[in-house]
Amino acid sequence: EPEVTQTPSHQVTQMGQEVILRCVPISNHLYFYWYRQILGQKVEFLVSFYNNEISEKSEIFDDQFSVERPDGSNFTLKIRSTKLEDSAMYFCASSSGAGFVDEQFFGPGTRLTVL
Amino acid sequence: GIQVEQSPPDLILQEGANSTLRCNFSDSVNNLQWFHQNPWGQLINLFYIPSGTKQNGRLSATTVATERYSLLYISSSQTTDSGVYFCAEVLWAGSYQLTFGKGTKLSVIP
Repeated sequence: EPEVTQTPSHQVTQMGQEVILRCVPISNHLYFYWYRQILGQKVEFLVSFYNNEISEKSEIFDDQFSVERPDGSNFTLKIRSTKLEDSAMYFCASSSGAGFVDEQFFGPGTRLTVL
Repeated sequence: GIQVEQSPPDLILQEGANSTLRCNFSDSVNNLQWFHQNPWGQLINLFYIPSGTKQNGRLSATTVATERYSLLYISSSQTTDSGVYFCAEVLWAGSYQLTFGKGTKLSVIP
């Protein structure tokens, strides 16, 4: 069964460093998303991406964040200058776009630790 | 106001018992999903259920869109069912973002 994959599973970085989190969505999907979950809290939406541009973003997704689909398979989230409060689990998701609002499939997550 | 509210927040079950988790949402259903977050933090898709009833093994879910709630049933619980169960919903027409509830933390003890 097709699935969303994410790398790395765990990333440790120093405050102020740039990180890139990588995702491979399900191959025929057209919509891509990033969510994050701070430890012990609920999952929060960051951004959605369709047709090579951001379609929606939350207040969390400020100028420190960017997303890119550099080729036909990868979808990345970049944090330019990490802060302690960026420590969280980051989930990538994708959906087919067959219906107006259809099921989103989530990857296993990347646990980001900022020291 | 209430957007996506889950109850109970915590639940402890003896292995073999049944349980019902509830999700209330404040507006019309666009996309209702249930997830299980395992102890390793992975989110597992359980059901996509904007309306009606679905079953998958020992799990089933029902969404009553007109009354704005969804229920997740777990029968004959096993220790591997432990974790946090989230429901999530797209709250606004024209949006794609899922809004998650705070989850129900389930502990199944032998």
